[in-house]
Amino acid sequence: EDQVTQSPEALRLQEGESSSLNCSYTVSGLRGLFWYRQDPGKGPEFLFTLYSAGEEKEKERLKATLTKKESFLHITAPKPEDSATYLCAVQVRSHGGSQGNLIFGKGTKLSVKP
Amino acid sequence: DGGITQSPKYLFRKEGQNVTLSCEQNLNHDAMYWYRQDPGQGLRLIYYSQIVNDFQKGDIAEGYSVSREKKESFPLTVTSAQKNPTAFYLCASSIVAGEETQYFGPGTRLLVL
Repeated sequence: EDQVTQSPEALRLQEGESSSLNCSYTVSGLRGLFWYRQDPGKGPEFLFTLYSAGEEKEKERLKATLTKKESFLHITAPKPEDSATYLCAVQVRSHGGSQGNLIFGKGTKLSVKP
Repeated sequence: DGGITQSPKYLFRKEGQNVTLSCEQNLNHDAMYWYRQDPGQGLRLIYYSQIVNDFQKGDIAEGYSVSREKKESFPLTVTSAQKNPTAFYLCASSIVAGEETQYFGPGTRLLVL
């Protein structure tokens, strides 16, 4: 069964304290891996898409990396405004050209204290 | 500005009542999706549509119905058959189904009176 697991469930950091969030996946064939940021009561905001092992993408203090089994979201010198829930989702290769739907993890809630 | 709008932001449902959640996009995307989000759980797919006048059931379609009469619009009806409708409902769209990043609307929170 295709599965996505995010860890930790919650992470509390001091401002400037760098860390990483993990997204491990077990899927039959990966088409793409997506990272989203979600603020309370809001819809998820797209951050990154990764397609192949070894790929990296950066945006401000965030850097996403991908291996064959997991992805990391590295947060360098975080600020309080980085506090949010970060969601990981994978898109699985489907057969016969049909829809490859997203499978979401439960998210990591990040709190950054000043 | 291009984007996805959902209305209302909050919706209250009485027992036995059907309610409809609105989702509109002006991104010219072909594919649209409805997800349900519950505390402590990942987003779960309710229905998706790859093209106008076509839609497919997702993982948790029971108690829900949709229509796709226009490219821009994909309303979701929560029927009285859905016994546990309290959740945060998210609409998303992508350029084509299964190929591109999905972009989300702001969500509708449904509460039962």
